[in-house]
Amino acid sequence: DADVTQTPRNRITKTGKRIMLECSQTKGHDRMYWYRQDPGLGLRLIYYSFDVKDINKGEISDGYSVSRQAQAKFSLSLESAIPNQTALYFCATSAVAGGPYNEQFFGPGTRLTVL
Amino acid sequence: GQSLEQPSEVTAVEGAIVQINCTYQTSGFYGLSWYQQHDGGAPTFLSYNALDGLEETGRFSSFLSRSDSYGYLLLQELQMKDSASYFCAVYLGNYGQNFVFGPGTRLSVLP
Repeated sequence: DADVTQTPRNRITKTGKRIMLECSQTKGHDRMYWYRQDPGLGLRLIYYSFDVKDINKGEISDGYSVSRQAQAKFSLSLESAIPNQTALYFCATSAVAGGPYNEQFFGPGTRLTVL
Repeated sequence: GQSLEQPSEVTAVEGAIVQINCTYQTSGFYGLSWYQQHDGGAPTFLSYNALDGLEETGRFSSFLSRSDSYGYLLLQELQMKDSASYFCAVYLGNYGQNFVFGPGTRLSVLP
């Protein structure tokens, strides 16, 4: 079974709709992240969480919100989706950022299309 | 702000050696990472340089020079399966932007 899972894998929605993307992990990591990926722009950090009570904005948090329901679950919401939020969204986890290897583990991604 | 630059595309033949460069403009960071992403897949971690110098992991090596604001990923004995996108990323600390990724380099390995 995958260590980091994301649901749904694909979603098509309309402008103005509320959308929730979910991420679950079985790695036992405290730190979880949400990124979006657009062609030619790499991965951009939306929000990150160091534990259930610690949530931080990343580079591009406007238009997004998150919820850390448990150590293993981190959800990303688009309250009112707009077409320029069409992108590939990745959830990631890490044991300790800045540690010896500083490795992040990514989920399979959710492809979101906003019409 | 923080920014990283990478070549958008690199092409090489099977068995060759290729170097993917990453230059950055950032006011202090803790380390430089490299990730590989195959089409339709998720990024996977390749290496991390906390200190200047060369880190070697099998066919892949990564280099960092803080004085030159520069790093690279070196892939040796290229195989077809190495065709993928490669991203450099800096870790900026626990808060703020935290991690910043470069735009990625698409490597095509030809037979």
